Amino acid sequence: AQTVTQSQPEMSVQEAETVTLSCTYDTSESDYYLFWYKQPPSRQMILVIRQEAYKQQNATENRFSVNFQKAAKSFSLKISDSQLGDAAMYFCAYRSPINTGTASKLTFGTGTRLQVTL
Amino acid sequence: NAGVMQNPRHLVRRRGQEARLRCSPMKGHSHVYWYRQLPEEGLKFMVYLQKENIIDESGMPKERFSAEFPKEGPSILRIQQVVRGDSAAYFCASSPSYSGANVLTFGAGSRLTVL
Repeated sequence: AQTVTQSQPEMSVQEAETVTLSCTYDTSESDYYLFWYKQPPSRQMILVIRQEAYKQQNATENRFSVNFQKAAKSFSLKISDSQLGDAAMYFCAYRSPINTGTASKLTFGTGTRLQVTL
Repeated sequence: NAGVMQNPRHLVRRRGQEARLRCSPMKGHSHVYWYRQLPEEGLKFMVYLQKENIIDESGMPKERFSAEFPKEGPSILRIQQVVRGDSAAYFCASSPSYSGANVLTFGAGSRLTVL
């Protein structure tokens, strides 16, 4: 079974600075999908960014980018120019490839709470 | 596009009562997933349904929990004889197809409190 580990329960960053959230995972599959979700106080789960394991290029979405290290099974999220609205819980998630019995499931880490200070 | 709609947002039940949580997927989505989030934890998969079919219920407790996604109407997660340990946020997500590349769109969740 796949596992996702987020070793930083809380992180803090000053406004306009850069912060990196860590995520490692364990899998025996060679093809899979990785996601970062944001959960603000409203509890809505919002997709931040996704990465297909077969793509070597790191995904980017505006101020958000990932450092995907497949051999190390590491998938960190970098937030540049942090804003107050970035304060939230951030969850890393893993999804198996299509046509497998577990493809429907996202496996989540336990989350990192990000605080943004002035 | 109204997104994934869940109701109620908050539900309070006494031990032994039944809880029914409803989820209307995004327009055009025929796949529904239910996840549970215990306090200070990540989301845990419960069940995956398509219209009128349960595809994967491996994350669902064997007793007291059931889910359905009828041909017409929302998906329902039903918890019978609730206990305090059922207190959690229950999230529904939907997707348009089975592809692993498709992103799951989540609703805002239903928070169940069992007194």
